[in-house]
Amino acid sequence: DAGVIQSPRHEVTEMGQEVTLRCKPISGHDYLFWYRQTMMRGLELLIYFNNNVPIDDSGMPEDRFSAKMPNASFSTLKIQPSEPRDSAVYFCASSLKPGFGGYTFGSGTRLTVV
Amino acid sequence: AQTVTQSQPEMSVQEAETVTLSCTYDTSESNYYLFWYKQPPSRQMILVIRQEAYKQQNATENRFSVNFQKAAKSFSLKISDSQLGDTAMYFCAFMRGKSSGDKLTFGTGTRLAVRP
Repeated sequence: DAGVIQSPRHEVTEMGQEVTLRCKPISGHDYLFWYRQTMMRGLELLIYFNNNVPIDDSGMPEDRFSAKMPNASFSTLKIQPSEPRDSAVYFCASSLKPGFGGYTFGSGTRLTVV
Repeated sequence: AQTVTQSQPEMSVQEAETVTLSCTYDTSESNYYLFWYKQPPSRQMILVIRQEAYKQQNATENRFSVNFQKAAKSFSLKISDSQLGDTAMYFCAFMRGKSSGDKLTFGTGTRLAVRP
């Protein structure tokens, strides 16, 4: 099992540009989570999906953020337009039964908006 | 809403010694799960140990064990025989117990340094 795969690992973009982060969950996991980690705010849940359906998007900071899960093996988190305050590490995680086994996290995408 | 508090921003321990990281949480739920995650410099989040609130027995995974005090809402992590590879950020996390699954709420983390 290759684990949760995120791409890119690092992204540097200019303010105002569109950024797309990608995630491939573990096969068979029907929960997918997007978290953001910053020094100031720690780890924050942005949105999560169950069977490709968004369940809770209350953590999405603004309309500039959007997430999709078109199928069970792929999800994207898009920021348009990006701003310097969006700079953070973005994690994707997947789970079969979150309470039973917790999550498996990807290695994260470090986003820097200049 | 659930909150998780880690009151020790940084800890240090000598290699081969034992260290305990503290975590308290606040919830009105009766059924829930608690977790400790490790984040080494590689930034990968790694599950260390989990505890189900309805189980009185403390969870153990090799050198890692927890002291779960449900009435006190306390969930500390003990690392025995500390190794250099244990150097990392450690996050305590809470999840409500729902059959449909739920989100993790994390504490702010404790940075652990293991000294050679």
